[in-house]
Amino acid sequence: DVKVTQSSRYLVKRTGEKVFLECVQDMDHENMFWYRQDPGLGLRLIYFSYDVKMKEKGDIPEGYSVSREKKERFSLILESASTNQTSMYLCASREGNSPLHFGNGTRLTVT
Amino acid sequence: GQQVMQIPQYQHVQEGEDFTTYCNSSTTLSNIQWYKQRPGGHPVFLIQLVKSGEVKKQKRLTFQFGEAKKNSSLHITATQTTDVGTYFCAPRGGYSTLTFGKGTMLLVSP
Repeated sequence: DVKVTQSSRYLVKRTGEKVFLECVQDMDHENMFWYRQDPGLGLRLIYFSYDVKMKEKGDIPEGYSVSREKKERFSLILESASTNQTSMYLCASREGNSPLHFGNGTRLTVT
Repeated sequence: GQQVMQIPQYQHVQEGEDFTTYCNSSTTLSNIQWYKQRPGGHPVFLIQLVKSGEVKKQKRLTFQFGEAKKNSSLHITATQTTDVGTYFCAPRGGYSTLTFGKGTMLLVSP
């Protein structure tokens, strides 16, 4: 079974802090994704990566950056956290057009 | 990404009633996937539809892809409390990306 692991289930950070959200998958998938989920807005794609050191902007990349130094790991970085980035963050991976496999999510609160 | 409208946003049914959620696009879709997210959980893949007019069944769940490949539906027959959750459609967008509809939240009362 594919396992996508997000390092934290809950995080509380202060405005202006630099925040790292980590995601690791164990199935050698080429593609990895970061989504945020907010009530009434569904899942919105922030960034994705289709290979090591490759990254592409999704629909809402502003205020975020990503890093993919190793195939299994995809990090989401909030350079200077703001309260409007309080959300549930979901990492996912897939191979080609196969289904997405999601991690359990990180609920981030920025105060 | 590919834009879709998912309706209804929310539905509350009595156990045993049927339920349908619709996913509509203004453009032709190459394929569409459906996911279910239980309360407090993460989205889990249910099915993928690729062909025009395709119908697939999983026990009480029936998935359809429209003839014009612009819409899709998920129908649950005789809902159970275990069906509670949010159902998302996800049409294929650009390179290997998936854009999700806003989802339909289903609540089932016993």
